[in-house]
Amino acid sequence: GQQLNQSPQSMFIQEGEDVSMNCTSSSIFNTWLWYKQDPGEGPVLLIALYKAGELTSNGRLTAQFGITRKDSFLNISASIPSDVGIYFCAGQPSYNQGGKLIFGQGTELSVKP
Amino acid sequence: EAGVAQSPRYKIIEKRQSVAFWCNPISGHATLYWYQQILGQGPKLLIQFQNNGVVDDSQLPKDRFSAERLKGVDSTLKIQPAKLEDSAVYLCASSLGGWGYTFGSGTRLTVV
Repeated sequence: GQQLNQSPQSMFIQEGEDVSMNCTSSSIFNTWLWYKQDPGEGPVLLIALYKAGELTSNGRLTAQFGITRKDSFLNISASIPSDVGIYFCAGQPSYNQGGKLIFGQGTELSVKP
Repeated sequence: EAGVAQSPRYKIIEKRQSVAFWCNPISGHATLYWYQQILGQGPKLLIQFQNNGVVDDSQLPKDRFSAERLKGVDSTLKIQPAKLEDSAVYLCASSLGGWGYTFGSGTRLTVV
C-alpha cells in the first residue's frame, strides 16, 4: 500500500531554533495534513494543504504542499518548550475520496530550554 | 463542544482473551474512524463509518476484529481473540466531512 516516509525520526534542538521536517511518497496525494501528538493524547490537526504548491502558515508553523504532490514539509520557527511532541504528516491517497488518511512514522521533537 | 470520548483509557489482557473499546463521537459528526497506532508508528486506519454504514474496512483483520456503529452514533471495536501484536493505542476520530478530524485520547491496549 501507499507509504509516507517522514524524516527525521527525531530532533533535539535548543529553544529558539527553527525546525524543519518533511514527508515524501512515491505516490500522489490529494491532500496533505500535519498533526501534533502529545503523550497520552490523540493527534491534533495543525495545518491542512489542499493543492499542489500551496504554502500555509499557522502562527509559527509553515507547511507546503509539494508541486509534484508527492511531498510536503513543515517548518517551526523560534521553537519553544511546548513544541515538544511527535509530529505526523498525513495524506489522502489520490485513489480515495472517502476520508482515509495515510500517516507517516512521525518526527519526535525535543526542545531544550 | 465536547470532544470524542473513548473508554477505557487503558486495558491489559492476556492473549486469546477478548476486549472491546467504546467511542462516542462529537455530536452531529456523521463520519467515524477507528485507527490503530502501534508504538513508534503513525496511526493506521482500521475502519471508517458513514452514519451506521461501513465505508472502508480494507485493513481490518476481520478474522479477529469487528466493529459496529449502531444508530449512527456510538461505536464499539472488538478484538476476539487478542494476539500479542494487537498491543497498540486504538484511536477513534470523527468528522462532519472533509479533513476536520477530531481524535479521541485513545485506548492503550497491552496484550500479555
